Amino acid sequence: GAVVSQHPSWVICKSGTSVKIECRSLDFQATTMFWYRQFPKQSLMLMATSNEGSKATYEQGVEKDKFLINHASLTLSTLTVTSAHPEDSSFYICSAREIGVGSGRGGSTDTQYFGPGTRLTVL
Amino acid sequence: GESVGLHLPTLSVQEGDNSIINCAYSNSASDYFIWYKQESGKGPQFIIDIRSNMDKRQGQRVTVLLNKTVKHLSLQIAATQPGDSAVYFCAESRGYSTLTFGKGTMLLVSP
Repeated sequence: GAVVSQHPSWVICKSGTSVKIECRSLDFQATTMFWYRQFPKQSLMLMATSNEGSKATYEQGVEKDKFLINHASLTLSTLTVTSAHPEDSSFYICSAREIGVGSGRGGSTDTQYFGPGTRLTVL
Repeated sequence: GESVGLHLPTLSVQEGDNSIINCAYSNSASDYFIWYKQESGKGPQFIIDIRSNMDKRQGQRVTVLLNKTVKHLSLQIAATQPGDSAVYFCAESRGYSTLTFGKGTMLLVSP
């Protein structure tokens, strides 16, 4: 299937520092990538939609100045958590939606393929 | 069982049994539905999808059923294996919009 990677897989940082998380589509091009946040035993909450070459669209309640998103190419989006605090500790997951007709990976052009997630712990 | 607070509904089955995981979706205008499997500490993995012009779709050992009248989606897993143990999420969308995820169901398969 379509492969999406994230780096790093986990990170521990001090309060007040910034952390950058990368999301890459490895074997397909994605005009749109999504960033989610997930707390333990809960569902995925969409934070923002990232379109290549344009500004991200943030969901209500998500601070765009705190969670900076850049989608510079068709295979890379980054999420930077600025001035991180302990309450920002969470599991961050990205997904990517493939351009064009489904490639036989099982899904369609609407299908989002997810990365493995990044565990952020802010001390 | 019912979800209370942070507890996910859990379905416990024996290896070899068939499993049925249910999902009620909220938006009658949704026209695309997906089931994802999420193992502990990992990202969601695509299982199967279905569009609103269908009521059934089959994959390898999995079947998704869609009942638009009552806004209900189900995932059937045949001959459940211990490796199927995970949290399963349904998700819905309308058109080419964002996905809305359900709360998730934990599937526990015992040998």
